[in-house]
Amino acid sequence: TQLLEQSPQFLSIQEGENLTVYCNSSSVFSSLQWYRQEPGEGPVLLVTVVTGGEVKKLKRLTFQFGDARKDSSLHITAAQPGDTGLYLCASRRIGQNFVFGPGTRLSVLP
Amino acid sequence: DAGVTQSPTHLIKTRGQQVTLRCSPKSGHDTVSWYQQALGQGPQFIFQYYEEEERQRGNFPDRFSGHQFPNYSSELNVNALLLGDSALYLCASSNRTSVLISYEQYFGPGTRLTVT
Repeated sequence: TQLLEQSPQFLSIQEGENLTVYCNSSSVFSSLQWYRQEPGEGPVLLVTVVTGGEVKKLKRLTFQFGDARKDSSLHITAAQPGDTGLYLCASRRIGQNFVFGPGTRLSVLP
Repeated sequence: DAGVTQSPTHLIKTRGQQVTLRCSPKSGHDTVSWYQQALGQGPQFIFQYYEEEERQRGNFPDRFSGHQFPNYSSELNVNALLLGDSALYLCASSNRTSVLISYEQYFGPGTRLTVT
């Protein structure tokens, strides 16, 4: 079973600061997704990365997929209170179901 | 266009009881997956339904069962409830073709189940 680790587990920062959260596995990802989940809501898909070394940008969010496809990072520039939430990474192997990491809980203070 | 909807929003049950949760997928989607999210953890895959059949199953006991209807909506049934079944139950819908490519799925808001 492929396990995903995420770090840090918790992160509390001030508005305007930059941050990076990480997702790692001992196995190679076939694809990897990042989600954000707010309290009382289901996860919302932010991005899917499939190619080693791939970098995707979504406004102030930058997603990077490791060259070996065993790790990924999410960088947020100039964080805002609206970025507060649980950030989850998820991956799957071809023909298998998705596995989620435990998440990084981000709190951005005004 | 309505997204994924789930009912009820919250539910309180007693140990040993049975519960049924419901999910309507996003318009145009034909595949429904169910996840259990315990407090402070990421979602764990329970099973997936496509063409009214269970196609994949995670590491959950037979007390967890499901059904998919011809209109693609789905139910999750849990029998003989345990305290440890208390969690947020999430439904995710997708289009079968996306499963073969990137497996993009859209989640509903979840049903919060509390077992006392």
